[in-house]
Amino acid sequence: EVQLVESGGNVVRPGGSLRLSCAASGFTFSDYWMSWVRQAPGKGLEWVANIQQDGSEKYYVDSVKGRFTISRDNAKKSVYLEINSLTDDDTAVYYCARNYGDNVYYYYYMDVWGKGTTVTVSS
Amino acid sequence: EIAMTQSPATLSVSPGERATLSCRASQSLNSHLAWYQQKPGQPPRLLIYGASTRASGVPDRFSGSGSGTDFTLTISSLQSEDFAVYYCQQYDIWPPYSFGQGTKLEI
Repeated sequence: EVQLVESGGNVVRPGGSLRLSCAASGFTFSDYWMSWVRQAPGKGLEWVANIQQDGSEKYYVDSVKGRFTISRDNAKKSVYLEINSLTDDDTAVYYCARNYGDNVYYYYYMDVWGKGTTVTVSS
Repeated sequence: EIAMTQSPATLSVSPGERATLSCRASQSLNSHLAWYQQKPGQPPRLLIYGASTRASGVPDRFSGSGSGTDFTLTISSLQSEDFAVYYCQQYDIWPPYSFGQGTKLEI
């Protein structure tokens, strides 16, 4: 069964840091780009970052550039999101998602999602 | 950055009825548009990609259409399990990927 399981969410104080993890199973992890998508309470979906199969290319939404770092370990079949300088606006459920689609022109949608891990920023 | 606008924000329909949800992009996407369904407390589920191709396991009452900037998700005969929030997402030009704000389908 294809599966993504996130972990690492917690309650943190403003300015704090966290490292989120996403463990993959049931597919060849190293063949896929991976994304993190977040959802603030009662709000819509916001793509946060993604990473290429070998980790050489990484992209971020402007609001997290310089504060968030995406990485992966293909041997451990895991993708990570290091989040620093947290603010109230970072409070959200963070989902890990597999990117699927065209590897030539980089047209990827998100076909498999984890159940998410919750980050709450509160003093 | 491509902006995605969904309408209506909320759609009230009855089981058995047809539902039509709209999504408009601020520039042409060709057909690089996906639809997702999200139920409370659950992650999004991919329904449609390439504007009109159903994902594996998606019932054929769900259909997607459109190209360019205007897209539609149609649910032909609503079942009780279809009441959820639906999001469109463009993957033509990124970063960033962008989602619509969602349409809540309610009874």
